[in-house]
Amino acid sequence: QVQLQESGPGLVKPSGTLSLTCDVSGDSISSSNWWSWVRQTPGKGLEWIGEMYHSGSTNYNPSLRSRVTISIDKSKNQFSLKLTSVTAADTAVYYCARVVTSSWNVGWFDPWGQGALVTVSS
Amino acid sequence: DIQMTQSPSSLSASVGDRVSITCRASQSISTYLNWYQQQEGKAPKVLIYAASGLQSGVPSRFSGSGSGTDFTLTISSLQPEDFSTYFCQQSYSIPYTFGQGTKLEIK
Repeated sequence: QVQLQESGPGLVKPSGTLSLTCDVSGDSISSSNWWSWVRQTPGKGLEWIGEMYHSGSTNYNPSLRSRVTISIDKSKNQFSLKLTSVTAADTAVYYCARVVTSSWNVGWFDPWGQGALVTVSS
Repeated sequence: DIQMTQSPSSLSASVGDRVSITCRASQSISTYLNWYQQQEGKAPKVLIYAASGLQSGVPSRFSGSGSGTDFTLTISSLQPEDFSTYFCQQSYSIPYTFGQGTKLEIK
């Protein structure tokens, strides 16, 4: 059974950097899957942040691209998110998720981590 | 970005009812459409992938249909555990985008 678990500070100061890690169990981070971050706010709903493949390839949401870095640590079977220059608008529940892809290249998020609430406040 | 619009935003129904939720994409996305269920305080869980594929372990009362720009999630006979929020999501092009959600409530 594949499980993902987010961890990281729940409070970040404005203009600071949000850092989260996702521990993966039951699957290898080097498998044929992409690994993704999604966030959720009451106002904007679900927003895809970006994804990474173990080869180092990344895709980011253009709306966040200038502030986001996703990285993978194969030795720890985990991947991470860094979001710089945060503001109150970045307050959200952050989820990590595996991207499963069908043989005809349709992808979906499964499973998801339980989510981590990150509040941006001084 | 591809905009995903769900309707209705909320829906009241009774146990045993048949309900449908629609999702419309701002451009054609073939069958690159997934449906998720999110229970209160929990992470989303995939129900339907590629418009009509039933995820393993998901009850057969859930079904999906559609292609192009118009899609439907149908629950054939509502059970108490189905009262949740449902989201559609397109994986046709980056950035992947989600619908705003449909909250299914008990009548």
